[in-house]
Amino acid sequence: EIVMTQSPATLSVSPGERATLSCRASQSVSSNLAWYQQKPGQAPRLLIYGASTRATGIPARFSGSGSGTEFTLTISSLQSEDFAVYYCQQYNNWPKTFGQGTKLEIK
Amino acid sequence: EVQLVESGGGLVQPGGSLRLSCAASGFTFSSYAMSWVRQAPGKGLEWVSAISGSGGSTYYADSVKGRFTISRDNSKNTLYLQMNSLRAEDTAVYYCASGGVVGATRDYMDVWGKGTTVTVSS
Repeated sequence: EIVMTQSPATLSVSPGERATLSCRASQSVSSNLAWYQQKPGQAPRLLIYGASTRATGIPARFSGSGSGTEFTLTISSLQSEDFAVYYCQQYNNWPKTFGQGTKLEIK
Repeated sequence: EVQLVESGGGLVQPGGSLRLSCAASGFTFSSYAMSWVRQAPGKGLEWVSAISGSGGSTYYADSVKGRFTISRDNSKNTLYLQMNSLRAEDTAVYYCASGGVVGATRDYMDVWGKGTTVTVSS
C-alpha cells in the first residue's frame, strides 16, 4: 500500500497571503495525484487532478505541481472561504490512499 | 445537474448488516467507475471500495475485504454497498463518489454525495 504523508498537519496563514501544502508518496505515483478540499460538515470537493489540472470551477489561485513522490498545492492569495482541510490522494495503485490531511487555519 | 444522493445509513449492532445506496443523476452513470469513501468521526478520509462502470471489476480496502460488497445497477443509476459483520470501527460517514474519466477505474473522484452516517454500537 502506498502511504501518503502530508505536511504540515496544521498551517496558519493570514488572508491574502500564500499557502503551500506538501504531500509525499512512499513510492512513485507518477502524476496520478488529486487534491480535495473539505469544510466542516461538508463532503470533500475535488480541486486538482493529474497533479496540476484544476477541476471545473476551481479558481486560478489554486495550483498543483509535482510528480513521482513529491507534490505541492499552492493557494496564491488566501480568501476567507479557503480555510478548510486539504487532502491529497493517489490513484496510481490499489488501494487508492489519502494523506492524513492539512488543516489550513486563519492566522 | 450532476448529483449523488446516499441513503441507508443508521444505527446497527456489532455483527449486524446494512446496505447503503447511492442514487446518481445528471450524467451517464454506466460510463464511470464509482467509489465509496468513509470518514470516521474527527478523522481523515479512507477509500473503501470501487467498481468499474460495467460492474465487472471491483476493488476493496483490506479493512473491509470479505465483509463489504460493492455493486451497481446501471438500469437504475444506483450504486450499493452491502456491509456485513459490522464492527465499531466501521462507524463513519460514508460518501459515494464518481470517477472523472470515462471508462477508467483508477482515477480521481470527481463528484461526491453529501454522505450517510453509519453507527455501529450496542
